[in-house]
Amino acid sequence: AQSVTQLDSQVPVFEEAPVELRCNYSSSVSVYLFWYVQYPNQGLQLLLKYLSGSTLVKGINGFEAEFNKSQTSFHLRKPSVHISDTAEYFCAVSSSFGNEKLTFGTGTRLTIIP
Amino acid sequence: KAGVTQTPRYLIKTRGQQVTLSCSPISGHRSVSWYQQTPGQGLQFLFEYFSETQRNKGNFPGRFSGRQFSNSRSEMNVSTLELGDSALYLCASKTIAGGNTGELFFGEGSRLTVL
Repeated sequence: AQSVTQLDSQVPVFEEAPVELRCNYSSSVSVYLFWYVQYPNQGLQLLLKYLSGSTLVKGINGFEAEFNKSQTSFHLRKPSVHISDTAEYFCAVSSSFGNEKLTFGTGTRLTIIP
Repeated sequence: KAGVTQTPRYLIKTRGQQVTLSCSPISGHRSVSWYQQTPGQGLQFLFEYFSETQRNKGNFPGRFSGRQFSNSRSEMNVSTLELGDSALYLCASKTIAGGNTGELFFGEGSRLTVL
């Protein structure tokens, strides 16, 4: 089984400043990793995913994440945030073997300060 | 291609009643999963259906049930509603075709309020 830990429940950031949202995972097998974003009163939308290959993954809205196998981390970054990035962000993991369910972290609420 | 559609979007029930929520997956997606989202517990997995069979189940009481139809549409039912069942219920679909990565495509959710 896999598990995900999102280390920060809330992250306030000034507009145009960089941001990093931290995610660590635990798994005894190889994994696929995902970041989802949830805007107020909406469902979850995929930001980016790591399946294999390059450890730096680029997603939508200028976000990127780096897979670090030795540290079992998959931190999400953006060099300059905007008010529209205010949302909740979820890290998720699934096993790369078979059709197991996606396991989500508890989420990080990103608040952009004007 | 249309996304995942959930109905109703909002509903209010009283304790002891039952509720049925509906989900239409993306065309061609045969797996449908349900999640409960609350401020205190985050995203909690309820169950997954594939080919009309429940494939995975989370740790919820038997009051929570679901089913899937031959066209892959799914419903979930909660009986004998409790105040703590107030939540956003999210449905998500995925392909089970070759190359499946587990990526889920979510609907906008059904927000249930129990009074």
